[in-house]
Amino acid sequence: NAGVTQTPKFRVLKTGQSMTLLCAQDMNHEYMYWYRQDPGMGLRLIHYSVGEGTTAKGEVPDGYNVSRLKKQNFLLGLESAAPSQTSVYFCASSYTTRGEQFFGPGTRLTVL
Amino acid sequence: DQQVKQNSPSLSVQEGRISILNCDYTNSMFDYFLWYKKYPAEGPTFLISISSIKDKNEDGRFTVFLNKSAKHLSLHIVPSQPGDSAVYFCAASEGGSWGKFQFGAGTQVVVTP
Repeated sequence: NAGVTQTPKFRVLKTGQSMTLLCAQDMNHEYMYWYRQDPGMGLRLIHYSVGEGTTAKGEVPDGYNVSRLKKQNFLLGLESAAPSQTSVYFCASSYTTRGEQFFGPGTRLTVL
Repeated sequence: DQQVKQNSPSLSVQEGRISILNCDYTNSMFDYFLWYKKYPAEGPTFLISISSIKDKNEDGRFTVFLNKSAKHLSLHIVPSQPGDSAVYFCAASEGGSWGKFQFGAGTQVVVTP
């Protein structure tokens, strides 16, 4: 039982490049979330999904897109990376909307 | 605008003593609160929760207190242990928000021998 896994763990991009971050969970959770963590800011919600095939915007969605084609996977895309997207990205999943969220280990992204 | 604030970025406490972490919020619609603990290079892990119908919840060495009128919650760790050295985040949500939580900026706790 791996819980929540994220791929890759680290990535360096140049401005304008694109990439996709993959999140996978094996707990059969309906709800999945993408956050970014910046110094002094806590975790901020980018996008979330309440079930397979559904996605919705969070607090800071601009510059990101997401897809949830399979229940266990939640993908975060950056179409044209900007230095302001340098951050640590965390994926999380939960069984209910009021329960604890299970987090992945994070992806550290640097955009030069 | 941050609706959840942890005004102490760091806290140093001696092993065996009590650690008290504070969290303030501005949204009176928040009715469910969680604390997470985070070690370096790992994701946050759930610690303890409290709903607004309670004013206290206890789990082993960890107790969370909620003061709704003051829009304030606190986490007490008694006794503090070296393994408690981590960053602690409080998070809050309101009903019907589909699991969307607002997180505080975190408090770094260092437990010294």
